[in-house]
Amino acid sequence: AQSVAQPEDQVNVAEGNPLTVKCTYSVSGNPYLFWYVQYPNRGLQFLLKYITGDNLVKGSYGFEAEFNKSQTSFHLKKPSALVSDSALYFCAVRDGDNDMRFGAGTRLTVKP
Amino acid sequence: DTGVSQDPRHKITKRGQNVTFRCDPISEHNRLYWYRQTLGQGPEFLTYFQNEAQLEKSRLLSDRFSAERPKGSFSTLEIQRTEQGDSAMYLCATTRLFDDEQFFGPGTRLTVL
Repeated sequence: AQSVAQPEDQVNVAEGNPLTVKCTYSVSGNPYLFWYVQYPNRGLQFLLKYITGDNLVKGSYGFEAEFNKSQTSFHLKKPSALVSDSALYFCAVRDGDNDMRFGAGTRLTVKP
Repeated sequence: DTGVSQDPRHKITKRGQNVTFRCDPISEHNRLYWYRQTLGQGPEFLTYFQNEAQLEKSRLLSDRFSAERPKGSFSTLEIQRTEQGDSAMYLCATTRLFDDEQFFGPGTRLTVL
């Protein structure tokens, strides 16, 4: 069965610095990979997805993610963090059926 | 606001009572998913519908859980004989057929006393 792991519970960065939120996955077939963000008191929002094609995927709010098949990773990145990026980030995987598996989440805090 | 609404937003109940939650999807979305999210964890898939057909229900947590989508529009999730371990956030998400982006509602937070 497919699964994802987010090895960091918490990531702290200073505003203006680059940020990385890590995700590794395990699937039996070709992975469908996603990042979602959850702001306080709001529902999860889609950021970006990788299905096939270029390994670098661009998404909402200036975020991007790099798919690395050899390392089975799909790390979320942003060149310059904003205080408003502070939220809970979830990586998810789907391997062809409609069953999405989410990681436990990483809390990103961007300090001014 | 994603356009997916859930009602109620909060529910407090006593152990042993039945509860029902409602999800109203974005109107043109064929697929509807239910998830449970506990503190410190990501959403856990429970079941999903394509129009009115429930295509996956083996992941429902027990036979106390059931879901319906009678006319292919809104859906309900019912938990019978609630237990304290059922306390969680219950999320609904919807998507168009063959689309990958799921639109999540704000969730219903259930507290079982």
